[in-house]
Amino acid sequence: GAVVSQHPSWVICKSGTSVKIECRSLDFQATTMFWYRQFPKQSLMLMATSNEGSKATYEQGVEKDKFLINHASLTLSTLTVTSAHPEDSSFYICSARLQEGAGIYSGNTIYFGEGSWLTVV
Amino acid sequence: DQQVKQNSPSLSVQEGRISILNCDYTNSMFDYFLWYKKYPAEGPTFLISISSIKDKNEDGRFTVFLNKSAKHLSLHIVPSQPGDSAVYFCAASGYGDDKIIFGKGTRLHILP
Repeated sequence: GAVVSQHPSWVICKSGTSVKIECRSLDFQATTMFWYRQFPKQSLMLMATSNEGSKATYEQGVEKDKFLINHASLTLSTLTVTSAHPEDSSFYICSARLQEGAGIYSGNTIYFGEGSWLTVV
Repeated sequence: DQQVKQNSPSLSVQEGRISILNCDYTNSMFDYFLWYKKYPAEGPTFLISISSIKDKNEDGRFTVFLNKSAKHLSLHIVPSQPGDSAVYFCAASGYGDDKIIFGKGTRLHILP
């Protein structure tokens, strides 16, 4: 299946600093990528939808100034957690949409990256 | 309002038997459904999908059934194997919609 790579896999940063997480679609072009956050033993929480060449669409309750998303190319989206605090520590997962088929036979299969553990100390 | 519901938080099944994971949805505009498997500290892995024009899709040990009138789908795994122990997410999207809506997941335990 399609491959989505996320980097880094884990990162520790000091409170107040910023950290960037990259999401790449390795073998397909993705006009749309998604960023999720998962707390322990909880479901995936969609943070934002990232569209290539335009501003990201954030879900309600997600601070757009804190979680900066850039989708500069068809294969790369980045999430920057600015002025990170310990409560931002979480597992962040990106995904990319691969659209297959056309019309009523089309499907939106989402392929996920491996996830990135962020620990803010 | 939860549009995709997985009402069983967990399920235990004996190895070799059939695992059946259920999912209900409320939005009649959904026309594409997917199942993902997730191990701890890893990203979800795509398993199988089904379009609303079908009522069954099979891939190896995995079969997804869709009942549009009941707005219900299920994932059957047979025979269940120890490596199937994971959290399974049901997801749905509407035609032309970028978003995929996930259920809360069902944790499947395969018992030896």
